[in-house]
Amino acid sequence: AQSVTQLDSHVSVSEGTPVLLRCNYSSSYSPSLFWYVQHPNKGLQLLLKYTSAATLVKGINGFEAEFKKSETSFHLTKPSAHMSDAAEYFCVVSGTGANSKLTFGKGITLSVRP
Amino acid sequence: KAGVTQTPRYLIKTRGQQVTLSCSPISGHRSVSWYQQTPGQGLQFLFEYFSETQRNKGNFPGRFSGRQFSNSRSEMNVSTLELGDSALYLCASSFTSGGGWAKDTQYFGPGTRLTVL
Repeated sequence: AQSVTQLDSHVSVSEGTPVLLRCNYSSSYSPSLFWYVQHPNKGLQLLLKYTSAATLVKGINGFEAEFKKSETSFHLTKPSAHMSDAAEYFCVVSGTGANSKLTFGKGITLSVRP
Repeated sequence: KAGVTQTPRYLIKTRGQQVTLSCSPISGHRSVSWYQQTPGQGLQFLFEYFSETQRNKGNFPGRFSGRQFSNSRSEMNVSTLELGDSALYLCASSFTSGGGWAKDTQYFGPGTRLTVL
């Protein structure tokens, strides 16, 4: 079985300040981990993915995430928030083979204040 | 390359009717997955097709069904619609379908917004 916990449902930051979106996962096997972003009334866009290569993963738009097996975490960060980053962010876990379906967290709504 | 396309983008139906949604994957992708997104339940996996065979299935009633054609295009059908079926239905395609390998990246379409009255 696999699951994702996104404890924060809403995060608010000021433009130009760092962003931290937390994600913890549970998996019985070596997982693949993803962060997706969804802007209002749009589909999901892949930000970055971890598939057991480098533990620090760089994504699009300045986002990055670090895989920490000991903490079962995969937090998403960005050094400086931009107004266009306001959206909903989903942390996602998947296994392999018959367990390869994606399991989504509940999502975090990121607000960026001017 | 063109992205994942879904048709129609918006749909309004009444209770008891049935509906068919369509998804065209990225060219060359053979795996298509379907998800339901609602404010209350979030994003939930419906099923996945690979080479015209259902490979994985989520915990949805039998009213939800799907199929995949030889060109990898997929359709999802919901029969006897209920009010709770109102949701955004997302389709995603990927090149592979696990099978012992790490899950290949899934690319999502814009979704079909279904409203059941």
